[in-house]
Amino acid sequence: AQSVSQHNHHVILSEAASLELGCNYSYGGTVNLFWYVQYPGQHLQLLLKYFSGDPLVKGIKGFEAEFIKSKFSFNLRKPSVQWSDTAEYFCAVNGTNTGNQFYFGTGTSLTVIP
Amino acid sequence: ETGVTQTPRHLVMGMTNKKSLKCEQHLGHNAMYWYKQSAKKPLELMFVYSLEERVENNSVPSRFSPECPNSSHLFLHLHTLQPEDSALYLCASSQDLGFSYNEQFFGPGTRLTVL
Repeated sequence: AQSVSQHNHHVILSEAASLELGCNYSYGGTVNLFWYVQYPGQHLQLLLKYFSGDPLVKGIKGFEAEFIKSKFSFNLRKPSVQWSDTAEYFCAVNGTNTGNQFYFGTGTSLTVIP
Repeated sequence: ETGVTQTPRHLVMGMTNKKSLKCEQHLGHNAMYWYKQSAKKPLELMFVYSLEERVENNSVPSRFSPECPNSSHLFLHLHTLQPEDSALYLCASSQDLGFSYNEQFFGPGTRLTVL
């Protein structure tokens, strides 16, 4: 079955620590890749997206993600997290083989300790 | 109002009630979606509409009934729900369907509790 896997369910970091959240997908064909963030009490917001071109994508608030096609991965990174990054992070995929669907991972809850 | 709005934000209903969730997008998009978000599970796509026509129905029980009267509004009519239907229901929109340089814009969701 087609799926999106986020391996880290809950991550706890101290401020200024580096962050990497894993995302793997299991689709063939061409894909669009997304990371969404959901801050406490707020709606899902787009953090960054990959459609084509440079596999290293820069997003808002200092986040970046790298698309590695051979590994079917799209990991999210930030060199130095802040308390305000505490949120739920979701990876999503939409592709030529997924029809009209966006497939989401189960999410990773990030807690940043001041 | 900008973006995608949803009302109500919270809803508590009994299993015999009938209620409706409303979604409105102010982005001029052509596609709208209903998702169910439950704890520890991926977002579940329920329905997809494109230009007011339903194009996806992912084996959703008939106690959920969508309606899309125009490209800006989407409703989810609820009747005889079960406690396991308690979840956050999210509405989203995108410029178009499918693989066409899309991204989805989400509303804040309706937190539904079925007693």
